[in-house]
Amino acid sequence: DVKVTQSSRYLVKRTGEKVFLECVQDMDHENMFWYRQDPGLGLRLIYFSYDVKMKEKGDIPEGYSVSREKKERFSLILESASTNQTSMYLCASSPGLAGADTQYFGPGTRLTVL
Amino acid sequence: AQSVTQLDSQVPVFEEAPVELRCNYSSSVSVYLFWYVQYPNQGLQLLLKYLSGSTLVKGINGFEAEFNKSQTSFHLRKPSVHISDTAEYFCAVKRTGNQFYFGTGTSLTVIP
Repeated sequence: DVKVTQSSRYLVKRTGEKVFLECVQDMDHENMFWYRQDPGLGLRLIYFSYDVKMKEKGDIPEGYSVSREKKERFSLILESASTNQTSMYLCASSPGLAGADTQYFGPGTRLTVL
Repeated sequence: AQSVTQLDSQVPVFEEAPVELRCNYSSSVSVYLFWYVQYPNQGLQLLLKYLSGSTLVKGINGFEAEFNKSQTSFHLRKPSVHISDTAEYFCAVKRTGNQFYFGTGTSLTVIP
């Protein structure tokens, strides 16, 4: 079974703090993704990576950055956390097959910024 | 741009009754279609997917979905729901390339 793990289930930070959310997958997947999930808005893509050190902006990259130094790990960074970044953050990975692909999700990190 | 519309944000249904969760997408080209389920405080799990071939797709937990190209729909159905089906359901679309597009979700509540 594919396993995608996220470093924290719940996280509370203060405004202005630098926040790191870590995601690790164990299936040698090419692609990794960061989403945020908000009520009534569904999942919105923040960034994705299709290879080590490669990244592309999703629909809502402002206020976030990412890092992928190793294939299995994809980090989401909030440079200076703000209250409007309070949300559920979901990491996903996929094999990278052209077209016929499936995403596998981690359990999510619920971040609260005070 | 891709968009996925889930027409119902909340669907209450009695236990053992049938249910249909609706999903429409905007695209005139080939797409790959997915339904995911999210149980409380968990990540998303794949229920089923349509890649090609038969338009009726069967998934886990007794769910099935039908791809209708002319109506650009991919509705999810189950003939008899259980309490354990209470969850959030997401429809997603993918074309060639790496990006998935998700709907806003439908919250299914099964009433005893």
